[in-house]
Amino acid sequence: DAKTTQPPSMDCAEGRAANLPCNHSTISGNEYVYWYRQIHSQGPQYIIHGLKNNETNEMASLIITEDRKSSTLILPHATLRDTAVYYCIASLYNNNDMRFGAGTRLTVKP
Amino acid sequence: NAGVTQTPKFRILKIGQSMTLQCAQDMNHNYMYWYRQDPGMGLKLIYYSVGAGITDKGEVPNGYNVSRSTTEDFPLRLELAAPSQTSVYFCASSQSPGTSGRDTQYFGPGTRLTVL
Repeated sequence: DAKTTQPPSMDCAEGRAANLPCNHSTISGNEYVYWYRQIHSQGPQYIIHGLKNNETNEMASLIITEDRKSSTLILPHATLRDTAVYYCIASLYNNNDMRFGAGTRLTVKP
Repeated sequence: NAGVTQTPKFRILKIGQSMTLQCAQDMNHNYMYWYRQDPGMGLKLIYYSVGAGITDKGEVPNGYNVSRSTTEDFPLRLELAAPSQTSVYFCASSQSPGTSGRDTQYFGPGTRLTVL
């Protein structure tokens, strides 16, 4: 897996968009960008993934730069329940050893 | 579907004791994984399995053993517990590569283990 770099913590006001950055400057052409989150001490939860194009699902949007060296996870209307640690992972599609780093601790404040 | 279940939720072991952490999934997933998470850190892969009878080491396999006799179950065995194995253990499962669900690993609620 390519190394990813994320800020250790971020705050966001409830109802506003949360934009979580991730740097993956050494990503290879066939590595996907995955995002998971971990709420309190629960098991991680898959959010979204992408290769080149921007992706959107019911939880979030993923914006990947054209050179693929960085990406941003967007939670469009953050709620208090979105407070969690967010992990950005660059990994091959069929890789069984996804490396979860320290992630970004997002705190959504009222 | 119950998803991925893990037992026990909590356990305290003495140094040198043995135990088995249980993991089961009812989604008919071929792939199963064991991770550990130390306080304030990310997850590290211990072992994984791509199907019944097939297992392989992850990043931190020392001190652990696994077996996969059925698709549903993937127990993790600690033979001689050490304080360094104090951690939260997560089991996960996913579909095989090439299927639509391969993108997603489904995690269990975790087992919090303390070795004293």
